[in-house]
Amino acid sequence: EAGVAQSPRYKIIEKRQSVAFWCNPISGHATLYWYQQILGQGPKLLIQFQNNGVVDDSQLPKDRFSAERLKGVDSTLKIQPAKLEDSAVYLCASSLDPGTVSLGYGYTFGSGTRLTVV
Amino acid sequence: EDQVTQSPEALRLQEGESSSLNCSYTVSGLRGLFWYRQDPGKGPEFLFTLYSAGEEKEKERLKATLTKKESFLHITAPKPEDSATYLCAVRSSNDYKLSFGAGTTVTVRA
Repeated sequence: EAGVAQSPRYKIIEKRQSVAFWCNPISGHATLYWYQQILGQGPKLLIQFQNNGVVDDSQLPKDRFSAERLKGVDSTLKIQPAKLEDSAVYLCASSLDPGTVSLGYGYTFGSGTRLTVV
Repeated sequence: EDQVTQSPEALRLQEGESSSLNCSYTVSGLRGLFWYRQDPGKGPEFLFTLYSAGEEKEKERLKATLTKKESFLHITAPKPEDSATYLCAVRSSNDYKLSFGAGTTVTVRA
């Protein structure tokens, strides 16, 4: 089974520029998550999609971050304009549905995009 | 708000030297406690889910246990390939998201 694909792997931008990350989840996984992992910290949920709809975006800084999931498959996360404190690894994860997380299968994470804002 | 605290932050072990990692949590209605392994430059990899106090899960040299307030990840006779950051996360009954701790970075020397 193919894993969760993310691109690019690395990105360096100047503050106030914009950037976009792409995620392709495991085929058939209805639920998609974007997490932010700052160096030395655990991942923090930014947004959760169930198919096309947003389930939880309470921790997404909506003044600069946006995300969409087209046709319930691929997703993009955008930052505009970027700040120095946005430097982090952005992880995408997917699961069959929230219920399977409860059944113990956990999420499947991609390798992430490392963003450096200078 | 769910809180997860892991200790120690870092652990250096000699090959074969068993040890334990701690995960303390505060959550309203635990629906699952998860352990993940994260290698440098990679996303977290799922290891275990625990649901209720007294439960134990094992995988190779790793054993996870759960009490009402904390979980332990025991590493028995570790090898260099067990070197990684181990993350603990909880899911509450209120929603589906996982709340992660900051992790314990384990280094096993040959």
